[in-house]
Amino acid sequence: DADVTQTPRNRITKTGKRIMLECSQTKGHDRMYWYRQDPGLGLRLIYYSFDVKDINKGEISDGYSVSRQAQAKFSLSLESAIPNQTALYFCATSDFDGVETQYFGPGTRLLVL
Amino acid sequence: ELKVEQNPLFLSMQEGKNYTIYCNYSTTSDRLYWYRQDPGKSLESLFVLLSNGAVKQEGRLMASLDTKARLSTLHITAAVHDLSATYFCAVDPTDSNYQLIWGAGTKLIIKP
Repeated sequence: DADVTQTPRNRITKTGKRIMLECSQTKGHDRMYWYRQDPGLGLRLIYYSFDVKDINKGEISDGYSVSRQAQAKFSLSLESAIPNQTALYFCATSDFDGVETQYFGPGTRLLVL
Repeated sequence: ELKVEQNPLFLSMQEGKNYTIYCNYSTTSDRLYWYRQDPGKSLESLFVLLSNGAVKQEGRLMASLDTKARLSTLHITAAVHDLSATYFCAVDPTDSNYQLIWGAGTKLIIKP
């Protein structure tokens, strides 16, 4: 089984709808991240969490919110989806041991119409 | 502004050739990461470079880091089709609290 899972894997929604993307991990890592990937732009950080009580905004947090329900679960919400939020979303985890290697989930492909 | 620039962004090459992907960054850092992404797939860690002069090699890929020049290179030797992928570098700035700054990626196509 995969160490980092994301649901759903694909989602089509309409402008103005609220949607939630979920991430779960079995790696036992404290740190979790949400990124979005757009063609030609690499990865941009949306939110990150270093433990259940520590949540921080990333580079592009506007229009998004997150919830860290447990060490293993980190959810990303789009309160009112808009078309320019169409992207590939990745969840990642890391266990800082002097090295910030991140382990990625399979991604969620989101289309906002 | 923190920037990580990769070049080229797209590279098409023949099997058997050698080539280098460059990753320049604008901030102080002695930690740099290389990742690989296959089409439609997630990202996978390739190399972690933790100090000036660090060199890591796996198979036909070799990565190096020059922190004084703020430059990392990913060298491909005798390319094979299986290395076709998008390669990302990511920098861990010294004062960032370990938020990685990502390059835009280099899409590598290796033709048989």
